[in-house]
Amino acid sequence: AQTVTQSQPEMSVQEAETVTLSCTYDTSENNYYLFWYKQPPSRQMILVIRQEAYKQQNATENRFSVNFQKAAKSFSLKISDSQLGDTAMYFCAFPNFGNEKLTFGTGTRLTIIP
Amino acid sequence: NAGVMQNPRHLVRRRGQEARLRCSPMKGHSHVYWYRQLPEEGLKFMVYLQKENIIDESGMPKERFSAEFPKEGPSILRIQQVVRGDSAAYFCASSPRTVEYQETQYFGPGTRLLVL
Repeated sequence: AQTVTQSQPEMSVQEAETVTLSCTYDTSENNYYLFWYKQPPSRQMILVIRQEAYKQQNATENRFSVNFQKAAKSFSLKISDSQLGDTAMYFCAFPNFGNEKLTFGTGTRLTIIP
Repeated sequence: NAGVMQNPRHLVRRRGQEARLRCSPMKGHSHVYWYRQLPEEGLKFMVYLQKENIIDESGMPKERFSAEFPKEGPSILRIQQVVRGDSAAYFCASSPRTVEYQETQYFGPGTRLLVL
């Protein structure tokens, strides 16, 4: 069974600082995708970024980037120049090979302090 | 292109009543997933459907819960004889599932069910 672990239940940083959220996973697959989703106070689930395991280059979306270490099965999310609107729960997610159902981590509650 | 639509956004039921949650996938998406989020927890997979087919219902409780995705109309998650433990946010996600595997799933805004 696939597992996803987020070891930081809560984090807080000052506005404009950089913060890194960690995620580790376990799988026997070789080709797969990984996702970070954001859940702000509105509770909507919003896709932040996606990484393909076969790509050596780390994915980047504006201020959001990942540090993907395939051998270590680590998939951390870096948020640069953090903004108040980044305050949210962040979930790492891993799709099951074949039917794509997502396994989510327990989440990290991120608070950006003005 | 409208996103994934879910309704109602909030639903209050008394114990023993039925709850019907609806999900319309994004245009062009034929695959629907339902997830449940209990308070202060992450999302847990319930069921995966294609049009007129249940592909994987391994995450769905064996009793009182059912799901369908008819040829026409939205996907429905039905909870019969609700109990207080069913209070949660229920999220629907859709994906196109083209020849490329592991497509991104896009989520709806969720339905918050409260059982009194």
